[in-house]
Order: sequence, then C-alpha cells, then structure tokens
Amino acid sequence: DADVTQTPRNRITKTGKRIMLECSQTKGHDRMYWYRQDPGLGLRLIYYSFDVKDINKGEISDGYSVSRQAQAKFSLSLESAIPNQTALYFCATSGGGRAADTQYFGPGTRLTVL
Amino acid sequence: QKEVEQDPGPLSVPEGAIVSLNCTYSNSAFQYFMWYRQYSRKGPELLMYTYSSGNKEDGRFTAQVDKSSKYISLFIRDSQPSDSATYLCAMVTGGGNKLTFGTGTQLKVEL
Repeated sequence: DADVTQTPRNRITKTGKRIMLECSQTKGHDRMYWYRQDPGLGLRLIYYSFDVKDINKGEISDGYSVSRQAQAKFSLSLESAIPNQTALYFCATSGGGRAADTQYFGPGTRLTVL
Repeated sequence: QKEVEQDPGPLSVPEGAIVSLNCTYSNSAFQYFMWYRQYSRKGPELLMYTYSSGNKEDGRFTAQVDKSSKYISLFIRDSQPSDSATYLCAMVTGGGNKLTFGTGTQLKVEL
C-alpha cells in the first residue's frame, strides 16, 4: 500500500464550489505539506504543518485553507473555487530536522475548475 | 527573478547518452541541494541529496554542486528509456525548513 494517499485523484468542479482534497499518510511523520504544480511554475508551497497544532502559510495560501485532523491526515480546502486554481495538487510528508529535506509525495490530485 | 532557475526542456537524447541537467540559484544561503525525479502522473521522489560543493555519485547518477558559481548539476550516464521523467532541483537554507524547487526539466530518452 502507498505510504501517502490522496483523494480524489481527479476532480472537475465549477467556479464558486467548495472543494476538499484529502491526504493520509502511514509513514508516521509529523510534517505534512500541500503544494500545487503548474506548468512553467514548478511546485509551490500552499500550507505546511509540523504537528497537529501547528499550521503555517506557504508561498501561495490565498484562497486556500487547511485542517490537520490527526498526525496522519491533512486536508486542503478551496472555499470558493476559481479557474486559476486549476492545477495538480500534491501532498507530502517528512521527518524533522534535516530529514525534512526528504519529502515523500502522494500521487497528486488533478483539479479542474470550470 | 526566481530564486532557482531551471531550463524546462524538453530534452530528448538517445539511449546511452550522457545527460546533463542544471539549475542556477541566487540565494547564497542555500546549503542543501536535492534532485527529485517525477514520472508522469506520479509525485516527485528524492533521487540525490548533497550538502557540500563537489561531486556525489550514486550508480549512474552524479550530483555536482558549485557554491561559488551558485550552480548545481545532475549527470546521468548510460541513460535509459526508464530515465524519461521530469527532474526537479530543490534547495534549502541552512536553518530553513522549506524547500525551494526549480520548475523541472522534462527528459526523454529514446530507443
């Protein structure tokens, strides 16, 4: 079984809809991350969490919110989706200290906002 | 100007060729350097990790860091079709805890 899972894998939605992307991990890591990937822009950090009570904004958090329900679960919400949020979304986990440089990514969620 | 610059490609080479992938960066505080490989429809996975200037070798892969020039490279010897993927460089400052990624270079190794 995969160590980092994401649901759904693909989602098409309409402008203005609320969307939640979910991430679960079995690696026992405290740190979890949400990224979006766009052609020509690479991976950009949306939010990250170093433990259940710690949530931090990343480079591009506007329009997004997150919830860390448990050590193993970290969900990303788009409160009111807009077309420029169409992208590939990745969840990742890591250990602490320098081990944080080794991030384990999920398979991604392809989101299309019409 | 982006902190990390990487040519997006695509780069197409014949099987068996030596491949050179590169990134330049502007932040001299970056101290740890990584190469991630991303296959189509998959998440990135760590391929190489280096700290100091110089070379690090792992099988057919060699990572090279030149901090004085703010330039890192990944060399792939005897390239195989299975090496076809997008390669992303990533780096982090000494006291930092967030990776900064390059945009990725798409590589295709043809039979």
